[in-house]
Amino acid sequence: LAKTTQPISMDSYEGQEVNITCSHNNIATNDYITWYQQFPSQGPRFIIQGYKTKVTNEVASLFIPADRKSSTLSLPRVSLSDTAVYYCLVGDMQTGRRALTFGSGTRLQVQP
Amino acid sequence: DTGVSQNPRHKITKRGQNVTFRCDPISEHNRLYWYRQTLGQGPEFLTYFQNEAQLEKSRLLSDRFSAERPKGSFSTLEIQRTEQGDSAMYLCATRRAGQSNSPLHFGNGTRLTVT
Repeated sequence: LAKTTQPISMDSYEGQEVNITCSHNNIATNDYITWYQQFPSQGPRFIIQGYKTKVTNEVASLFIPADRKSSTLSLPRVSLSDTAVYYCLVGDMQTGRRALTFGSGTRLQVQP
Repeated sequence: DTGVSQNPRHKITKRGQNVTFRCDPISEHNRLYWYRQTLGQGPEFLTYFQNEAQLEKSRLLSDRFSAERPKGSFSTLEIQRTEQGDSAMYLCATRRAGQSNSPLHFGNGTRLTVT
């Protein structure tokens, strides 16, 4: 199983760009990288997913270098409502034959 | 609402009692996953199903835990003889297998408190 390592916590201010990096040194060929956001007492919510290079959607960007051993979630111009825990999940989304396991996540605190 | 639905949202039980949680997936999502989450930790994988087949159950925490998905639609997670250490949030997630861009969709969980 691809083990992931993220910073435990990060602090930012409203309006700043936040980059959260996840290390996944033993990522497998079929593994995709997915990021989730979780608020207290709610289930994790999908943010973005990618396999390689760069992916962008309306809320975030995901940067994946060529070796795929890490990935960076970029949140542009964060607001107070972005205060949450962010999880990087690496797993075989193609066949789904292996369990999809989460790390401990990064707790982002956005200050006014 | 067409998201993943979990019931009940909260369950308080006494030690030694059995509890059962239900998960209703997004329609057409044939993969269903159960996770447990304790305070300050990421979701911990328990088991998953493809349709009605349970493909991985070795990660269930003990033989007191069991899960079913009898008709390939909703699923139940049962904990027998609950212990205080079972207190946690139990999350269900579903996705469409065979599509690499189909992420997990989570319900809002069932919070179990064992007294």
